[in-house]
Amino acid sequence: GAGVSQSPRYKVAKRGQDVALRCDPISGHVSLFWYQQALGQGPEFLTYFQNEAQLDKSGLPSDRFFAERPEGSVSTLKIQRTQQEDSAVYLCASSHAGGVSSQPQHFGDGTRLSIL
Amino acid sequence: SQQGEEDPQALSIQEGENATMNCSYKTSINNLQWYRQNSGRGLVHLILIRSNEREKHSGRLRVTLDTSKKSSSLLITASRAADTASYFCATDSGAGSYQLTFGKGTKLSVIP
Repeated sequence: GAGVSQSPRYKVAKRGQDVALRCDPISGHVSLFWYQQALGQGPEFLTYFQNEAQLDKSGLPSDRFFAERPEGSVSTLKIQRTQQEDSAVYLCASSHAGGVSSQPQHFGDGTRLSIL
Repeated sequence: SQQGEEDPQALSIQEGENATMNCSYKTSINNLQWYRQNSGRGLVHLILIRSNEREKHSGRLRVTLDTSKKSSSLLITASRAADTASYFCATDSGAGSYQLTFGKGTKLSVIP
């Protein structure tokens, strides 16, 4: 079946604008993760959903970042009043089971966000 | 913060040679995973090794885990140009955890 799909692939926004990034996980996958990846670095955890419940948002950098997964499938990461330091690749990953790290995570190709 | 740290940061080898990448981590884990990332793409899961395992193989990949030293290594044998990518280790924080912490990665270049 289809893998994890993210859109848009590239997003350019002016400082202060709001952006919304979309993730379509693999169908039936319970767990969904958002990561932020700076250039030359590994992904850094932002938030975790188990079905529609956001169980962990400890990695969100500020209250300008908001994520939702209202029906337990598609997820949206919203960044309000963007700043230049928000420029990064935002990766979404899903895994079949919930609540365990022993499952491989399946990643989308990410959204590259550039804030001017 | 990043728990896993890979070394070397970059590695350049000739096609056909073996490539070894190392990962060190700080706290106890339940399992450790290795991922590959091609330029401009998402991460692809390669292999998972549990804390009670010492070695695991998958095709041309061999992973070792030494929990006493809090370290792991990934060996790619008979490398190919298509193996050119960044490789990351990812650790959890013990039994019952779901969150993975990734290192900074090793950038591998395989020269044809």
